[in-house]
Amino acid sequence: LAKTTQPISMDSYEGQEVNITCSHNNIATNDYITWYQQFPSQGPRFIIQGYKTKVTNEVASLFIPADRKSSTLSLPRVSLSDTAVYYCLVGDTGSGNTGKLIFGQGTTLQVKP
Amino acid sequence: GAVVSQHPSRVICKSGTSVKIECRSLDFQATTMFWYRQFPKQSLMLMATSNEGSKATYEQGVEKDKFLINHASLTLSTLTVTSAHPEDSSFYICSARAPGQGLDTEAFFGQGTRLTVV
Repeated sequence: LAKTTQPISMDSYEGQEVNITCSHNNIATNDYITWYQQFPSQGPRFIIQGYKTKVTNEVASLFIPADRKSSTLSLPRVSLSDTAVYYCLVGDTGSGNTGKLIFGQGTTLQVKP
Repeated sequence: GAVVSQHPSRVICKSGTSVKIECRSLDFQATTMFWYRQFPKQSLMLMATSNEGSKATYEQGVEKDKFLINHASLTLSTLTVTSAHPEDSSFYICSARAPGQGLDTEAFFGQGTRLTVV
């Protein structure tokens, strides 16, 4: 499973756009990129997933360059409730894979008023 | 969306006793579930993969005799922490994917169980 590297922490203010970049230099052809959000004392929650280019849903956008060695999670106009830990994961869609996810250190986002 | 539920959400036990944590997939059948452990201010660490009807697969360094996993049905996996000690105090989280779906779909996580061993 590909290793990911993210900034340990980031600070932002309410209403700003936040971009968190994840490095995954050893990503494999079959790997998808998935981001999860975790609040204290809760299980992680799925945010967004992509394979290449750009993916957007109601809460975030995911930008993936052509070489797929990095990805950027973009959170538009954050609020205090977006304060959480954000994890970037890459995983293999191969038929022999068990589907397990290996979490890196994550990025602690602190949104200030 | 699919829901994974854990029970209990919090448990306090005495050192030397055993504690069972349940993980249920509420609206789908999960042939595979995963158990994670998370210490304060740290990331989730995968402990084991729970396979319905067969033995669990443990990650390196995880004691299989201490952390007993049973996946007796397609909707229930249990993790039993045997002879618990204070160092086993942690946040335990399970997850599952609906069967037939690869990694291009989301995994669903339980709300976690806070275990405190006194």
